This record gives sequence, structure tokens and C-alpha cells, in this order.
Amino acid sequence: AQSVTQLGSHVSVSEGALVLLRCNYSSSVPPYLFWYVQYPNQGLQLLLKYTSAATLVKGINGFEAEFKKSETSFHLTKPSAHMSDAAEYFCAVSDDGSARQLTFGSGTQLTVLP
Amino acid sequence: ETGVTQSPTHLIKTRGQQVTLRCSSQSGHNTVSWYQQALGQGPQFIFQYYREEENGRGNFPPRFSGLQFPNYSSELNVNALELDDSALYLCASSLTGLRTDTQYFGPGTRLTVL
Repeated sequence: AQSVTQLGSHVSVSEGALVLLRCNYSSSVPPYLFWYVQYPNQGLQLLLKYTSAATLVKGINGFEAEFKKSETSFHLTKPSAHMSDAAEYFCAVSDDGSARQLTFGSGTQLTVLP
Repeated sequence: ETGVTQSPTHLIKTRGQQVTLRCSSQSGHNTVSWYQQALGQGPQFIFQYYREEENGRGNFPPRFSGLQFPNYSSELNVNALELDDSALYLCASSLTGLRTDTQYFGPGTRLTVL
């Protein structure tokens, strides 16, 4: 079974600083990985996904993530944080069973300080 | 193209009651998944429907049941509500249910059980 671990339930960065949100996965098959963002009182919005093409994946709002098989990681980065990036971020892996459900990490709350 | 919509937005029920939550899939999508997101946690998979048939189920008791209709809209029914059922319920639709498919999430229904 697949699983996802997000290190750091809360991350704070200054506006303009690098954003790094960590995600490690466990999968018995080649994983398909996703990052979603959730703003307060809203549903989930897809930021980017990895489906075994390029290992560096570019998403919306300037975010990108790099798939590293040797480290079983899929960390999310953004070179320069903006106040509007403050939200909760979830890493997810797609299951390989008959139901293609997503298994989510517990989330990382990103705070951007002025 | 309309996105995933859910109704109602908020709902308050008392323990032991029954509730029905509704979801309209994104146009053209034939797969719908339901997730439960407890406060401060990542979403947990409840079940998935593909072409009106249940296609997989997470670790939820039988009092959680669902339906998918010919127009691919869906319902989640929960009987004998318990206090721990208080959560944000998210519906997600996808085009075909493939592992690589993106799941598009609705805004959710916030259920409070008193």
C-alpha cells in the first residue's frame, strides 16, 4: 500500500524567501504523485502532478517539484514566497488498486511573514 | 466547462440522524470519489464510483453508502451519525479513473454532528 509523509506540519517563511515543503512517499509500484493546495474553507486545488515523464514538474503559481526516486521524495518548492501562498499544502500518491484513490499526507500549513 | 459542485455548503445534524450530501461532477467525467477530511488532517478516501458502480472503498463502515447517477452526479449517504463524523466531505471527479488522471475537487460540505 502507498503512503505519504509530510515533514513539518507548519512552515513559516518570509515574503520573498524560498519555500520548501517536504514530501516522502512509500510505494510498491512506480508512484504517481500530486501536490494540492487548500485555502481556508475551500476544497483542494491541484498545483502539479508527476506521472513518470520529466522528473522536474512545473505547476501553477510558480511552484515546482522534483521527483527523486533514490530518496523517495517529491518536495515542493517556490523560489520566492508571496503572501497569497499562505495555505495548507497536501502531497498525495495515487493508489494502484482498482480504485485510483489518492492517499494524502497530513498536510503542511504554510505561513508567509511580511 | 463547469467545475465540481457540492451541496449543501454547511449542514448541522444531531447524533443518530441520517444525512445525504450531493455532488455534481465536472462535465465529461465518469468517475467520482468521496473523501472525509477531519479538522487538521488530510483527506481520507471513502469510496469511488465508476460508471454507476462502486469501484473501491476505504476503511469506512457500511453506514457510509453512495450512489452515482447516469449523469455521473453522486450522493454520499451517512446513517446513524456519530460525533466523529463531523468533518469536511469532499467530492472529486476525474475523466476516466486512471492512476494518472487528475482528480478535481469540489469545495466540500462541512458537516457538524451535535
